[in-house]
Amino acid sequence: DAKTTQPPSMDCAEGRAANLPCNHSTISGNEYVYWYRQIHSQGPQYIIHGLKNNETNEMASLIITEDRKSSTLILPHATLRDTAVYYCIVRVGMGGGNKLTFGTGTQLKVEL
Amino acid sequence: GAVVSQHPSWVICKSGTSVKIECRSLDFQATTMFWYRQFPKQSLMLMATSNEGSKATYEQGVEKDKFLINHASLTLSTLTVTSAHPEDSSFYICSARKLAGGPQDGELFFGEGSRLTVL
Repeated sequence: DAKTTQPPSMDCAEGRAANLPCNHSTISGNEYVYWYRQIHSQGPQYIIHGLKNNETNEMASLIITEDRKSSTLILPHATLRDTAVYYCIVRVGMGGGNKLTFGTGTQLKVEL
Repeated sequence: GAVVSQHPSWVICKSGTSVKIECRSLDFQATTMFWYRQFPKQSLMLMATSNEGSKATYEQGVEKDKFLINHASLTLSTLTVTSAHPEDSSFYICSARKLAGGPQDGELFFGEGSRLTVL
């Protein structure tokens, strides 16, 4: 699976949009971009994933650049409960070995 | 959504004893389960992949005789830390892959984690 690069930490004011970047310049054509988050002392929680097109669900939006070498996870109105480590992972879809390799992620701190 | 439950959520044991951690998929069948370990302020490290009815595949550097994995059914995998030592103290997390053929087919779901402290 391709390697990803994320900033180690970010701060965001509550109610504002949190934009978390991820670089994956060596992504292959059949690899998806997945985002998970881990709140302290809990298991990771799936947020969203995409291949080429931008995606949106009830939690977040995922913007993938046209060359697919980077992406941004957007939490439109961050709350204190969104404070967590956010992991960007690229991997071949749901088939194959399917294991997830976690990098160091971005610690997002949402403050009042 | 699909639920993965781990038990116990935390355990304290004496050095030299063995500890078993269970990972159950509560409302779906899982062909494959993954076991991760996470030390404080570090990322998750994959330990092994277990497939129902077959031997687990361990990542490089993980001792298979120390971390026994059994995946006897499509809803249960267990991790046994044998002869535990203080350096085995960690947060252990499992992930289950939903069996193909329905909604969220093939997707991965994580348990809440089990915190092991070895004294």
